[in-house]
Amino acid sequence: AQSVTQLDSQVPVFEEAPVELRCNYSSSVSVYLFWYVQYPNQGLQLLLKYLSGSTLVKGINGFEAEFNKSQTSFHLRKPSVHISDTAEYFCAVSDPGGYNKLIFGAGTRLAVHP
Amino acid sequence: DSGVTQTPKHLITATGQRVTLRCSPRSGDLSVYWYQQSLDQGLQFLIHYYNGEERAKGNILERFSAQQFPDLHSELNLSSLELGDSALYFCASSPGVTLNYGYTFGSGTRLTVV
Repeated sequence: AQSVTQLDSQVPVFEEAPVELRCNYSSSVSVYLFWYVQYPNQGLQLLLKYLSGSTLVKGINGFEAEFNKSQTSFHLRKPSVHISDTAEYFCAVSDPGGYNKLIFGAGTRLAVHP
Repeated sequence: DSGVTQTPKHLITATGQRVTLRCSPRSGDLSVYWYQQSLDQGLQFLIHYYNGEERAKGNILERFSAQQFPDLHSELNLSSLELGDSALYFCASSPGVTLNYGYTFGSGTRLTVV
């Protein structure tokens, strides 16, 4: 079965520092990959997606992610974080079983400190 | 505002009761997905409807049912409620049956069963 592993449940970082949130998936077939952000008491918002083509994907709010097929990873990065980036981040992968659904990781809580 | 509307935002009810959660997809979107978010299970896919037809079912209990109406809004019915059904229930929509655009999420309905 398809699975998504977010390797860190919490990531504390100081403001203006770089951050990387790690995501690995298991699949033997091509998949689509997504990162979503959830601010407190809100729904999930799409940050970026990888469908095909260039392995470096740029998203909103200065985030980017790199697809690495050999390592089955899709890590999210930002060179300089702000207090407002404090939120829960979810990695998701398309279900390779032919169904149009996303399978989500457990989430990583990013806490940006002044 | 994502364009996906969920009502009510909060719901408190007693065990054994039945509730209905409502979702209006973003204008032009034909697919509706329901997810349950809880602390112990994370984001779990429940069901997917496309243009009124059920397309995929996930970990949805027999006590739960859903439908999508001709105007494309969807309802998730939860019956014989148990304490463990307390969770955030999200609706998401997408234009078609592919994941090229990802999902657009609503802000969720927080269900508390007491």
